[in-house]
Amino acid sequence: AQKVTQAQTEISVVEKEDVTLDCVYETRDTTYYLFWYKQPPSGELVFLIRRNSFDEQNEISGRYSWNFQKSTSSFNFTITASQVVDSAVYFCALSPFLKLSFGAGTTVTVRA
Amino acid sequence: DVKVTQSSRYLVKRTGEKVFLECVQDMDHENMFWYRQDPGLGLRLIYFSYDVKMKEKGDIPEGYSVSREKKERFSLILESASTNQTSMYLCASSLMGGTHYEQYFGPGTRLTVT
Repeated sequence: AQKVTQAQTEISVVEKEDVTLDCVYETRDTTYYLFWYKQPPSGELVFLIRRNSFDEQNEISGRYSWNFQKSTSSFNFTITASQVVDSAVYFCALSPFLKLSFGAGTTVTVRA
Repeated sequence: DVKVTQSSRYLVKRTGEKVFLECVQDMDHENMFWYRQDPGLGLRLIYFSYDVKMKEKGDIPEGYSVSREKKERFSLILESASTNQTSMYLCASSLMGGTHYEQYFGPGTRLTVT
């Protein structure tokens, strides 16, 4: 069985602060993919990143960065210099084959 | 531009009614999915389809059925709506080829069963 845990339910920060979202997963599969999605207030989930289990390189995309550590089964997401537009619910997800298992989500509120 | 559309943003139905939620994608994707989203539970997979007329149960299929007669359309059916099916329903699609293709989501349908 697959399981994704996002222990932080809500995070509130002031603009320009950095925010780190934790994601811990459980799987018995050796090959799997990890994802992060963003759900803004409009409701539509937006894909942010995909990482396969064999690629532990960290990734940076603009103000977003991801840290994948297989040894601790974690795939954490950091927003640097947060902006009000980053306010959303963020989901971490795991997929060994076709089906996605989502975490409960972390609500990020960035205050001006 | 990638597009997944759902027939309604908001829907109110009565207990016992048969409810149809429609999803259409214009990306020629093979895979389509139905999720429900509830506070504190994230998204849970109800059913998915990897080809026309093919379907597979997800994690919570009880009380639901699906139909895929055409590649671009995937319908979720609540045979006899109950109050515990009040939720946000999200449709998604992706290319075939394993798990490495991301899923594209529709805007969701917020269903209230009274």
